[in-house]
Amino acid sequence: QKEVEQDPGPLSVPEGAIVSLNCTYSNSAFQYFMWYRQYSRKGPELLMYTYSSGNKEDGRFTAQVDKSSKYISLFIRDSQPSDSATYLCAMSEAGANSKLTFGKGITLSVRP
Amino acid sequence: KAGVTQTPRYLIKTRGQQVTLSCSPISGHRSVSWYQQTPGQGLQFLFEYFSETQRNKGNFPGRFSGRQFSNSRSEMNVSTLELGDSALYLCASSLGGSSLNEQFFGPGTRLTVL
Repeated sequence: QKEVEQDPGPLSVPEGAIVSLNCTYSNSAFQYFMWYRQYSRKGPELLMYTYSSGNKEDGRFTAQVDKSSKYISLFIRDSQPSDSATYLCAMSEAGANSKLTFGKGITLSVRP
Repeated sequence: KAGVTQTPRYLIKTRGQQVTLSCSPISGHRSVSWYQQTPGQGLQFLFEYFSETQRNKGNFPGRFSGRQFSNSRSEMNVSTLELGDSALYLCASSLGGSSLNEQFFGPGTRLTVL
């Protein structure tokens, strides 16, 4: 079993839809939870960053972390064609030298 | 502020050769991490350097090595290339302080091994 599992997709939704992206993990030592967005031929860019359990909202994006279930989610409201990209969840243990462990990513396509 | 730069952007090599990739972090960042991205395995951590010292290492064979210079620029080297080394190699920089810092990724180097 991989440390981080992410729904493989791809996912195609109409413009304006609410998108839910999810990851599960097995390492209970993970403390930091991130979502990255990667456009074609670009490096990943950080979208959301959450420490421990809880919710965090930034504009149309909401990140949720449920450590008791080892489950994290990213919600995108009012999705736009410009949201079409690959979304990767990433996690890390505490400590400055902790590596990021990524999910495989899910490709989202938002149809106009 | 300039972002993370990686050179070259594309590289084609043959089996058995070696390759060196370069990464220039954001000014002021002292930590550089390297990742390998493939369709089958996704993004996998290779190693991290901080102040010229390897601070963390992933589960890759010894053919993969790296170093960091005093100006924080980093290089990674892959020796005796195999077909399976074909991938996008990403470098990420961060401040590298006492807690987890946001990692900023470069555009990557696309390596093809024939």
